[in-house]
Amino acid sequence: DTGVSQDPRHKITKRGQNVTFRCDPISEHNRLYWYRQTLGQGPEFLTYFQNEAQLEKSRLLSDRFSAERPKGSFSTLEIQRTEQGDSAMYLCASSFGPGGQETQYFGPGTRLLVL
Amino acid sequence: AQKVTQAQTEISVVEKEDVTLDCVYETRDTTYYLFWYKQPPSGELVFLIRRNSFDEQNEISGRYSWNFQKSTSSFNFTITASQVVDSAVYFCALSEKQYNFNKFYFGSGTKLNVKP
Repeated sequence: DTGVSQDPRHKITKRGQNVTFRCDPISEHNRLYWYRQTLGQGPEFLTYFQNEAQLEKSRLLSDRFSAERPKGSFSTLEIQRTEQGDSAMYLCASSFGPGGQETQYFGPGTRLLVL
Repeated sequence: AQKVTQAQTEISVVEKEDVTLDCVYETRDTTYYLFWYKQPPSGELVFLIRRNSFDEQNEISGRYSWNFQKSTSSFNFTITASQVVDSAVYFCALSEKQYNFNKFYFGSGTKLNVKP
């Protein structure tokens, strides 16, 4: 069990550019979550996958944000036409279970800076 | 309204002091879970504990202990004999069942500084 991994750990981009982040969950975890964390705040839920199905995405911040989880394994989060307000830490978490209140395990995050 | 409130933004203690981090939550559900996570400067959220709403028994794990009181909607975390390595931001979280998944609500965190 190698834990949740995220890539890259840091990303600096210019306003208007597109960025994509990758998350590899703990193997065999069927549930995957994306969060955003701004300075001095707790993580804020963005979207959720159960296997390859994106079952909740209402909290994605705008239509510039999209996420995928092909084949129910790794996931990507893409931000198009980045804005300075997108600067934050993007966290991925995974869990396994029948849908109860199982523990979510978090990755190290991708820290995004939009110049 | 905030579902999870951590009123202490930052706490500083000297090593070996005991420290309690407060967490107050709000929910209408009868079944829910509460969590504490630690976030060191590296950024990764480290799971510490999970409690369900039906188990109010306090828990102790080494220097860590948790006090869950449904009557006051609180889930406080105490570190006994604090150490410098305990310095981090600590988050309390509430998990509620949505229609098809469990959604986490995090507090804004308490930054703990343990000085030698």
